[in-house]
Amino acid sequence: EPEVTQTPSHQVTQMGQEVILRCVPISNHLYFYWYRQILGQKVEFLVSFYNNEISEKSEIFDDQFSVERPDGSNFTLKIRSTKLEDSAMYFCASSRGNSPLHFGNGTRLTVT
Amino acid sequence: KQEVTQIPAALSVPEGENLVLNCSFTDSAIYNLQWFRQDPGKGLTSLLLIQSSQREQTSGRLNASLDKSSGRSTLYIAASQPGDSATYLCAVRPRYGGATNKLIFGTGTLLAVQP
Repeated sequence: EPEVTQTPSHQVTQMGQEVILRCVPISNHLYFYWYRQILGQKVEFLVSFYNNEISEKSEIFDDQFSVERPDGSNFTLKIRSTKLEDSAMYFCASSRGNSPLHFGNGTRLTVT
Repeated sequence: KQEVTQIPAALSVPEGENLVLNCSFTDSAIYNLQWFRQDPGKGLTSLLLIQSSQREQTSGRLNASLDKSSGRSTLYIAASQPGDSATYLCAVRPRYGGATNKLIFGTGTLLAVQP
């Protein structure tokens, strides 16, 4: 069964550094998402992306965050200047619209 | 603002027992409700999706029900097995959340099935 793949599985970075989290959504999906889960807290919606633009974003998704689909297969989340509170598990997801979301295994980001 | 709550937060049962996980939501204006399984350090695996017009969905030993008017959903697991041990998450898609699959998650129930 096709799956969403995320790399790396674990990223450690220093505060203030830029990080790029990478995702390969399922090939025939059109909608792409980033969610995050801070340790011990709920999974939270960050942003959705469709037709090469952001369709919706949450309050968390401020100017430090950006998303991009640089080619036909990858979907990336960039955090420009990481803060300690950005430490979390970041999940990429994709769907064909109203179908169930398919999530990747996540990237654990640790900011020191 | 939609809030999703799951009880209990943790549950430990002996193998073979039938069990029920509960999910409640504060705003009945939902498009659908989805149950996920999360294994430690892993992603979220979709188990069942119930559209707002449906009352229940079944997959193998899993049965999920939806009572939109009362803001409740249950996930029933029959004949539990140690391999069912995981965190179970409930998530709703608000009806007025735009065209996106923006889900609001509960905090989850950590299930341990003892052999």
